[in-house]
Amino acid sequence: EAQVTQNPRYLITVTGKKLTVTCSQNMNHEYMSWYRQDPGLGLRQIYYSMNVEVTDKGDVPEGYKVSRKEKRNFPLILESPSPNQTSLYFCASSSDGGANVLTFGAGSRLTVL
Amino acid sequence: GEDVEQSLFLSVREGDSSVINCTYTDSSSTYLYWYKQEPGAGLQLLTYIFSNMDMKQDQRLTVLLNKKDKHLSLRIADTQTGDSAIYFCAESQNRDDKIIFGKGTRLHILP
Repeated sequence: EAQVTQNPRYLITVTGKKLTVTCSQNMNHEYMSWYRQDPGLGLRQIYYSMNVEVTDKGDVPEGYKVSRKEKRNFPLILESPSPNQTSLYFCASSSDGGANVLTFGAGSRLTVL
Repeated sequence: GEDVEQSLFLSVREGDSSVINCTYTDSSSTYLYWYKQEPGAGLQLLTYIFSNMDMKQDQRLTVLLNKKDKHLSLRIADTQTGDSAIYFCAESQNRDDKIIFGKGTRLHILP
């Protein structure tokens, strides 16, 4: 089944403890992106990648890192999480350059205490 | 910069039609989308329309585009309980461009 898989789906952590949210897609998509969803703010793009070894900042990149060493994987790294990074995170991918039909993962709910 | 606006909530009785409205600011938007987010899930593309079209219909869904007023609407006929979700309007200039999402409209179905 064609899908975007995120892990973990739920995570509670403490301030400053490094964590990684993995994202993997099995559709051979070039484009991948991370979003965070917060009440009243909608979806905001964190980082995106047009292809392997190519990453760019989105609207809210502060406090996050990404890497794209392989086409299928696009992990989101929080080096030193803070409570304002408590959010619902979505990974998405697309076969087109940057937009059009995005396939989303099921989401990862992160709580930073 | 580009912006997409939509109301945050809509309540509709089961069996009635739902109309979710959206306005956007970028006159060069080429692609306009509606995504649906069901509880506990990611977003799924419902439908999209090119800016050179006025209307697109797909079963119970009708998308209307007024390019002059930069207004997009999604009409759901015979609304069912399974239509309860958050609906996101979105736009992009080109296929390779960043997609801009609205904040989402939560559709609540009344019995």
